[in-house]
Amino acid sequence: KQEVTQIPAALSVPEGENLVLNCSFTDSAIYNLQWFRQDPGKGLTSLLLIQSSQREQTSGRLNASLDKSSGRSTLYIAASQPGDSATYLCAPSGTYKYIFGTGTRLKVLA
Amino acid sequence: DAGVIQSPRHEVTEMGQEVTLRCKPISGHNSLFWYRQTMMRGLELLIYFNNNVPIDDSGMPEDRFSAKMPNASFSTLKIQPSEPRDSAVYFCASWGTSGRRELFFGEGSRLTVL
Repeated sequence: KQEVTQIPAALSVPEGENLVLNCSFTDSAIYNLQWFRQDPGKGLTSLLLIQSSQREQTSGRLNASLDKSSGRSTLYIAASQPGDSATYLCAPSGTYKYIFGTGTRLKVLA
Repeated sequence: DAGVIQSPRHEVTEMGQEVTLRCKPISGHNSLFWYRQTMMRGLELLIYFNNNVPIDDSGMPEDRFSAKMPNASFSTLKIQPSEPRDSAVYFCASWGTSGRRELFFGEGSRLTVL
């Protein structure tokens, strides 16, 4: 059974810092891994999708890497801003089932 | 393009009442998922439809829960009778036929059962 752990559970940083959010999973036989952002009271917004043949994806200030063999993914956020404050969830998938971590709650202070 | 659309956004009901949550997936998407989010258990997959057919309903907690997808643009999740422990945010999500399997979520339906 796939288990997903995200570290740290919460993070509070001053604006401008570069951040690293970690995700580990127990079953390396995954199809994709997707990173999401969730704002309070809102749905999940897709940030980055890494397909199994890929090792990383980039979008603006976000970069996500995937190491299937070690069961790890990392989300880098460059030059953090207060608007980045949210909960970040990683979710590896099998053929159709995404299993979600409990998330990292990020607060970026102005 | 419109995203995944869910209704109602908020529902407050009394124990024993029937609850129906609705979802319209993104046009052209052929896979639809219902998830439930609680503080205790996080996000859990309830049911997965592909081409309107239920493929995996192993996450449906009990017989009080049922889901249908009568056509490619509409799905319902019904709880009858509802209980306080069903209080949660219910999300609908979909993905398309491109093979990317990128999941897109709706805004969710927050259910409170008193």
